[in-house]
Amino acid sequence: GIQVEQSPPDLILQEGANSTLRCNFSDSVNNLQWFHQNPWGQLINLFYIPSGTKQNGRLSATTVATERYSLLYISSSQTTDSGVYFCAVDFLNTGFQKLVFGTGTRLLVSP
Amino acid sequence: DAGITQSPRHKVTETGTPVTLRCHQTENHRYMYWYRQDPGHGLRLIHYSYGVKDTDKGEVSDGYSVSRSKTEDFLLTLESATSSQTSVYFCAITPGGADTEAFFGQGTRLTVV
Repeated sequence: GIQVEQSPPDLILQEGANSTLRCNFSDSVNNLQWFHQNPWGQLINLFYIPSGTKQNGRLSATTVATERYSLLYISSSQTTDSGVYFCAVDFLNTGFQKLVFGTGTRLLVSP
Repeated sequence: DAGITQSPRHKVTETGTPVTLRCHQTENHRYMYWYRQDPGHGLRLIHYSYGVKDTDKGEVSDGYSVSRSKTEDFLLTLESATSSQTSVYFCAITPGGADTEAFFGQGTRLTVV
């Protein structure tokens, strides 16, 4: 069946460290997004990245669609980066967005 | 701020009662979505809308209905709430069209007792 798998499930970092989060998906996608859910529950869109590489400050993302994975890089982590990071994909090119979410990577950055 | 407001933000209701959650957007975007989030899961799509009176089912639509009589409002109704519908509900929009970035509201925490 359709699957979106994220790894690692949990990650603990010291402030200033770098990290890589991975998202594997089971079929071709026409839409892939990364979200950050902060400790207050708010979902923030980080990247729309069905293919290629994007960077936004300390965060960058790469999607290799042909190999069915995406990576989210966090450099020089800060305590405000704590929360859960979700990868979400849309497998069907129906014209309507039906995102399938992974179960997330929970990140804790300690001072 | 994506201009999405969900109401109420928190609600406790009894099993068997009807409940309506509201999602309001300020920019007249065409596409709107309702998701639910449960512990150990990411978000799952309940229903979506692609225009006034145009709605369709998502992955977990059983027990839910939606309505969109105005562009700015997308309502989610639990006709007879059950404990399995205890969840956090998120509304989303995709301002750039169906195949673009999604932006989420603050969420509504619903508890069915």
